[in-house]
Amino acid sequence: AQSVTQLGSHVSVSEGALVLLRCNYSSSVPPYLFWYVQYPNQGLQLLLKYTSAATLVKGINGFEAEFKKSETSFHLTKPSAHMSDAAEYFCAVRPAGDDYKLSFGAGTTVTVRA
Amino acid sequence: EAGVVQSPRYKIIEKKQPVAFWCNPISGHNTLYWYRQNLGQGPELLIRYENEEAVDDSQLPKDRFSAERLKGVDSTLKIQPAELGDSAVYLCASSLARGSYEQYFGPGTRLTVT
Repeated sequence: AQSVTQLGSHVSVSEGALVLLRCNYSSSVPPYLFWYVQYPNQGLQLLLKYTSAATLVKGINGFEAEFKKSETSFHLTKPSAHMSDAAEYFCAVRPAGDDYKLSFGAGTTVTVRA
Repeated sequence: EAGVVQSPRYKIIEKKQPVAFWCNPISGHNTLYWYRQNLGQGPELLIRYENEEAVDDSQLPKDRFSAERLKGVDSTLKIQPAELGDSAVYLCASSLARGSYEQYFGPGTRLTVT
């Protein structure tokens, strides 16, 4: 079964500093990987996805993530944090192929200090 | 284009009472998902519809939960009777088709059972 682990339930960064959110997956075959963001009282919004094309994936709002098969990781980064980046971030995994099912990590809450 | 619409946004009920949640997916989206998101966790799939057919309800607690998607558009998720442990956010999502990578989420219904 697919699973995903997000390291750190809370991350606090200063405005303008690097944002790094960690995600590791467990799968014998490289899956499809996703990062979602959830703002308070809102649904989840897709930031970016990896679907076996380029390993460095660029998403919305200046975020990017790199798929590293050797490390079974898909960490999310943003070079310079903005106050509007304060939200909860979820990593999700889906098996490659026909299986549609998304499995989510527990989430990482990001706070941005002025 | 309108997003996924859910109602109500908030619901407080006493245990043993029934409750229903409604979802209107994005127009033209054939696949509809219901997720449950417990506090501090990522969403977990309850049921998936392809048009009007429930194709995966393996995670739906069938003793008290039921769902329907009449005419392959709107969907309703019901709990009867509710238990304290059902307190959570219930998210609806839709995608264009089964194989689509992106799922579009609604804002969710926050249920509190007292």
